[in-house]
Amino acid sequence: AQSVAQPEDQVNVAEGNPLTVKCTYSVSGNPYLFWYVQYPNRGLQFLLKYITGDNLVKGSYGFEAEFNKSQTSFHLKKPSALVSDSALYFCAVRRSTDSWGKLQFGAGTQVVVTP
Amino acid sequence: IAGITQAPTSQILAAGRRMTLRCTQDMRHNAMYWYRQDLGLGLRLIHYSNTAGTTGKGEVPDGYSVSRANTDDFPLTLASAVPSQTSVYFCASSDSGGTQYFGPGTRLTVL
Repeated sequence: AQSVAQPEDQVNVAEGNPLTVKCTYSVSGNPYLFWYVQYPNRGLQFLLKYITGDNLVKGSYGFEAEFNKSQTSFHLKKPSALVSDSALYFCAVRRSTDSWGKLQFGAGTQVVVTP
Repeated sequence: IAGITQAPTSQILAAGRRMTLRCTQDMRHNAMYWYRQDLGLGLRLIHYSNTAGTTGKGEVPDGYSVSRANTDDFPLTLASAVPSQTSVYFCASSDSGGTQYFGPGTRLTVL
């Protein structure tokens, strides 16, 4: 079975400060890891993914994430947060061998960026 | 149409009634998925399909059924709705690289 933990229900950060959203995972075999963002009353939007290769993955809107196999983590980061980054963020994992491509999502982390 | 569309946008339904949520994609993706989103629980997979004619059960399939008659459409049916099925429902499709793309959602309230 696979699982994802997002230990923080909410992250508060001032505009211009670094933003980190934490994610740890559990999966058998090699993981595929994803980050999605959800704005109010909208569907999820893809930000970035790790499949293989470089542990530092760069994605949309200036976000990046670092895959750490030993710590089974995939934290999302942004060097300088914007008020418009306020949203709900989801981490997701799937087994690389899952031919159905099923994702297991975390419970989500609400990010609040204050001016 | 660009991406995934879902209908209706929202619905209030009496318990015991039958309801079909519609999902259509125009990206020619083989794999499609239905999720429900509940506060504090994230998204949970209901059913999935990796090609027309094949479907599978996800984490929370009870009370729901799906069909996949063609590549583009993946309807989700609640045969007899119950209040615990009050939720926001998202349809998604996946490209060959495994990235899932989501529709705008259907907000369903069962009274």
